[in-house]
Amino acid sequence: DIQMTQSPSSLSASVGDRVTITCRASQSVTRYLNWYQQKPGKAPKLLIYAASSLQTGVPSRFSGSGSETDFTLTISSLQPEDFAIYFCQHSYSTPRTFGQGTKVDIK
Amino acid sequence: QLQLQESGPGLVKPSETLSLTCTVSGDSISSTTYYWGWIRQPPGKGLEWIGSIYYSGSTYYNPSLKSRVTISVDTSKNQFSLKLSSVNAADTAVYYCARHPNWADAFDIWGQGTMVTVSS
Repeated sequence: DIQMTQSPSSLSASVGDRVTITCRASQSVTRYLNWYQQKPGKAPKLLIYAASSLQTGVPSRFSGSGSETDFTLTISSLQPEDFAIYFCQHSYSTPRTFGQGTKVDIK
Repeated sequence: QLQLQESGPGLVKPSETLSLTCTVSGDSISSTTYYWGWIRQPPGKGLEWIGSIYYSGSTYYNPSLKSRVTISVDTSKNQFSLKLSSVNAADTAVYYCARHPNWADAFDIWGQGTMVTVSS
């Protein structure tokens, strides 16, 4: 199985901050990497697919980059509604696996 | 607007079979563009992909669960289902159904999730 490791596990930030979350795969997943946002008691929401493609309806302050084993999710200016847990997930092979999550909370 | 809704028992006894159904509304499950999958999340933990199915019945499963999992589709009811046999406490989780386009292979539409507890 391909292991997905996110860093940091949690971070505290203020509204307006630029936030960067990293996801590292244990082997190359080329660009088959997706990012999700999950709020308490809710299903995950797709933000980014194929490493850098913004899902329809997702604000442009979210962006993704990277390839092979190293990927980044960036929130350019953190908004109050962005405090949540973020997961990466590869779709390169079976099984699809997720990172352990990064919790973004209010400083 | 596409919606997915999970249904099934919220409590299952150890060693029994967990059975859930996902009803798709607002689109046809027979679309050639999409796969349909199950993902679970134990309380306070991360996400685990269980398996996925195409409208034709073609399936692929997480090898860690493959011996216990069956996913099936009923196109006449616009539903797909999950069966997980020989459950134990480690199978206690919120179970989500979700759609993934074959051109993006990301889970773009999710159900709200249903909590299943394994306990006697």
